Order: sequence, then structure tokens, then C-alpha cells
Amino acid sequence: SQKIEQNSEALNIQEGKTATLTCNYTNYSPAYLQWYRQDPGRGPVFLLLIRENEKEKRKERLKVTFDTTLKQSLFHITASQPADSATYLCAPNSGNTPLVFGKGTRLSVIA
Amino acid sequence: DSGVTQTPKHLITATGQRVTLRCSPRSGDLSVYWYQQSLDQGLQFLIQYYNGEERAKGNILERFSAQQFPDLHSELNLSSLELGDSALYFCASSRLAGEHNEQFFGPGTRLTVL
Repeated sequence: SQKIEQNSEALNIQEGKTATLTCNYTNYSPAYLQWYRQDPGRGPVFLLLIRENEKEKRKERLKVTFDTTLKQSLFHITASQPADSATYLCAPNSGNTPLVFGKGTRLSVIA
Repeated sequence: DSGVTQTPKHLITATGQRVTLRCSPRSGDLSVYWYQQSLDQGLQFLIQYYNGEERAKGNILERFSAQQFPDLHSELNLSSLELGDSALYFCASSRLAGEHNEQFFGPGTRLTVL
């Protein structure tokens, strides 16, 4: 069955550093991969979508890579700020299947 | 603000009862999704509607049902509630039906079953 693993449940980093979150998937070949941010008690918010033929995508301080050989996506936040503290969810998906989310990585940026 | 509204915000009820959660999608969005999020399970897809028709079904229990009305709002009905049904229930919407479309999530309904 499809399996999504996000590196660690929690990641603590110092303000100003780059945070790197990992999303690994097995047993399927997604055509797209989405990243969402979720704050406690609130709904997830869409951040980025990357397609299988795109190696990298950037949006402001965010960068996502998608390696279909390694079956992995990396999510980077550069110059991290305390306001970036949240849980980040990845959702690798094929075109016609429901969105399946990883359990998320809780990022804490310490001032 | 995502533009997706959900009511009620909180719901406390007893085992065996039935509740209805309501969702209004963003203006113009035809697809509505329902998710359940509990601490140990993460965000679980329940069901998707597109323009009034059921499009995809996930791990939705037989005690749960949903529908999307002509005005595109959706309701999730949960019956014979059990303690384990306590969770956050999110509704999301997207413009079209394809899963590559970004989804806009509502604020959620927190259900507590006592």
C-alpha cells in the first residue's frame, strides 16, 4: 500500500538557518507533490505544488525539490523565522487519486 | 481566510448520537473534500464531491455519509457516534476535480464525543 514518511515528527532550528524537511514515499509514482502548512487547530494552507518533470520549484524563501528516482521531496525554508514554526505536510499524488497526506513534521524556529 | 466556511466550530455530543457538519466552499469551487484529523492518525481523506456527484471515497465509515447540494455546499453526517470519532473534521474545496489542484481548507469543526 502507499506509504508516506516525513523525516521526523519534530525539527528544531535556530532563527536564520535553513530548515530542511524530508518527504519519502513508497509503492506508488506520484505525478504531483504538494506541500501544506498547518498551524495548531487550523486548517492546512497550500504552499507549493511540484510536478514530476520539475526538479525544483521556488517561492520566496521556500524551495521544493522532487526526485522521482529517490522517491523523495525536500522542502527548504531559508532564513527561517519564528513565524515559520508550524507543521508541514507533504502530499504526493497521482492525477486521479484522492490527496493523501503525510503525518507532517512539526518545525520550531527558535529565536 | 481561505474562503471556505465550516459550521459549527465546536460540537460536543454523546455516544450513539448523530451530528451534521456543514461546509460552504469558496465561491466558484466545484469540488468539496472532507477530512478527519486525529492526533494519532494525521489527516485522513474521507470523501470528495464534484458538482453534486460523489467522485472519490476514502476511509469513510458506513456510519458516516455526505452529500453536496445544488448550491455546492456540503454536509457530512456522522451517526451512532463513538468515542473514537472525536477529531477535527476539515472541509476543503478546489476549483476542479483533479487532485493536482490546490485545496483550500476551512477552519474545521472540532467534534468531541463523550
